Amino acid sequence: TQLLEQSPQFLSIQEGENLTVYCNSSSVFSSLQWYRQEPGEGPVLLVTVVTGGEVKKLKRLTFQFGDARKDSSLHITAAQPGDTGLYLCAGDIGNTGKLIFGQGTTLQVKP
Amino acid sequence: DAGITQSPRHKVTETGTPVTLRCHQTENHRYMYWYRQDPGHGLRLIHYSYGVKDTDKGEVSDGYSVSRSKTEDFLLTLESATSSQTSVYFCAISDMPRDNYGYTFGSGTRLTVV
Repeated sequence: TQLLEQSPQFLSIQEGENLTVYCNSSSVFSSLQWYRQEPGEGPVLLVTVVTGGEVKKLKRLTFQFGDARKDSSLHITAAQPGDTGLYLCAGDIGNTGKLIFGQGTTLQVKP
Repeated sequence: DAGITQSPRHKVTETGTPVTLRCHQTENHRYMYWYRQDPGHGLRLIHYSYGVKDTDKGEVSDGYSVSRSKTEDFLLTLESATSSQTSVYFCAISDMPRDNYGYTFGSGTRLTVV
């Protein structure tokens, strides 16, 4: 069974702080995606990274794909209460279209 | 999402009864997936479809079957529901897995087996 480990599982911070969420595996991924999920809703795609070493920015969110395509990180700068939610990483092994998901990181940003 | 709907949104059923969940899409996407989400496990793939009448098993397929007779509909059936199948079920669609554009998820079905 391929595993995708996310850390931390829970994060509670004050508005304005920075944070990083990590996603690690022993498997090589053809692509890796990050999703954000709010209570009672399905996950929503934030970004897809494909190339080893790739960095993508989405406003205050920075996503990085490891050089070996086995790990990824999500960095949020100056977190806001609207960033609160469950963040999920998901990897595609072998370009099959079937995603393996991490357990998720629950982020709470307090005003 | 407007292009994908799941029904019902909530269901309570008794152990041993069959249950069918429906996923309907208006995007004409080829690929459709059923996942379940449980605390501590993230999302796990149950079954997926790569075209009409073309389906295959995922990681946790035991006790589930699927059917896809039309591009727009993907049905998930719990043949004889058990308490371990209490979960939130998500359907997802994708145009071409190799375009790396990711999934679009439905809003989920919360199923409770009592």
